[in-house]
Amino acid sequence: GAGVSQSPRYKVAKRGQDVALRCDPISGHVSLFWYQQALGQGPEFLTYFQNEAQLDKSGLPSDRFFAERPEGSVSTLKIQRTQQEDSAVYLCASSLARTGGGYEQYFGPGTRLTVT
Amino acid sequence: DAKTTQPNSMESNEEEPVHLPCNHSTISGTDYIHWYRQLPSQGPEYVIHGLTSNVNNRMASLAIAEDRKSSTLILHRATLRDAAVYYCILLESGGYQKVTFGTGTKLQVIP
Repeated sequence: GAGVSQSPRYKVAKRGQDVALRCDPISGHVSLFWYQQALGQGPEFLTYFQNEAQLDKSGLPSDRFFAERPEGSVSTLKIQRTQQEDSAVYLCASSLARTGGGYEQYFGPGTRLTVT
Repeated sequence: DAKTTQPNSMESNEEEPVHLPCNHSTISGTDYIHWYRQLPSQGPEYVIHGLTSNVNNRMASLAIAEDRKSSTLILHRATLRDAAVYYCILLESGGYQKVTFGTGTKLQVIP
């Protein structure tokens, strides 16, 4: 079946531009996560949605970062006034369960953002 | 969040078994142990998870110490496609699944 998809796969933005990154989770998955991965590092948690509700946004690095999932399926991560330090791979993951460590997360291929 | 400790890198010869260790001395009684791997230029991929008992699936086996303070991911016959970064993480059973990745173990498979 279809996995998690993300678009675009690559994005180059000039410093100060706004960008929007899209995530299409697996159909029926309740939970959706966004992560940021710098080169050579493990993914860092950004935010979590349960259906359309954003339950945790503690990992968002600044108020320039905004995420939404208005209908409980597709999600968009928006970065305003991009800075060079925003350059990273942005990963989206979805999971069937609301809670419980017994369920795995399915990751998309990521969007590589380069800010010049 | 409970923390895990893994070696930065390991090597294995192709077609030999690989044992990837993970220490999680502060694990709580209800934390699940999950393993993910990340191939170059791809998103992380779920490998296996367990709570107390050893687990087997088509990809790997997970051996969990009796005190649960450590675990080992076992790849029975390493292939070149298994070259990846392997992450050992803990997920709370009661809360939502916020995942804290470390830097993982980079596995190199030698032909």
